[in-house]
Amino acid sequence: QKEVEQNSGPLSVPEGAIASLNCTYSNSAFQYFMWYRQYSRKGPELLMYTYSSGNKEDGRFTAQLNKASQYVSLLIRDSQPSDSATYLCAVNTGGSYIPTFGRGTSLIVHP
Amino acid sequence: NAGVTQTPKFQVLKTGQSMTLQCAQDMNHNSMYWYRQDPGMGLRLIYYSASEGTTDKGEVPNGYNVSRLNKREFSLRLESAAPSQTSVYFCASRDTHYEQYFGPGTRLTVT
Repeated sequence: QKEVEQNSGPLSVPEGAIASLNCTYSNSAFQYFMWYRQYSRKGPELLMYTYSSGNKEDGRFTAQLNKASQYVSLLIRDSQPSDSATYLCAVNTGGSYIPTFGRGTSLIVHP
Repeated sequence: NAGVTQTPKFQVLKTGQSMTLQCAQDMNHNSMYWYRQDPGMGLRLIYYSASEGTTDKGEVPNGYNVSRLNKREFSLRLESAAPSQTSVYFCASRDTHYEQYFGPGTRLTVT
């Protein structure tokens, strides 16, 4: 079992809908959780990070962390075609220099 | 503030040729990383430098060498390129928190 799992997709949602992207992890020592967005032929860019259980909001984006069930989700409200990208989940243990990345979920928002 | 920059953007090499990929960051970050990204494989860590003067192997270091030239610059060298090294290479940097900042990538083809 990989330490960080993401459904590769593609996840296809209509414009204006809520897109829900999930990431599960197997190591309970992971404490820091990041979401990156990667457009085609570009480098990943940091979207959000969270350290504590519960929800963290930033505009249309919400990161939900459930440490008891060992998953972190990214919700995108009012999805736009410009949100079409691959979303990478990354996790870190405390004090580690090396994050563990999931392989990413491809999101397609169609008009 | 350019963030993380990489040169070149594209490169085609013949098997056995050598080259150096350059990376620089202007965010005064201590840690820097080199990744490769291949279809279906996600991001794989090649080498990282936790701080100026140190380098360590990542998941896939064979065939590569690195140099942390100073706090800003971290280069990746392919001494004898092989077709298996055809990939997209990303440099990243990180400050005292866990979030990484990525460069735009170098697309390398080895024929």
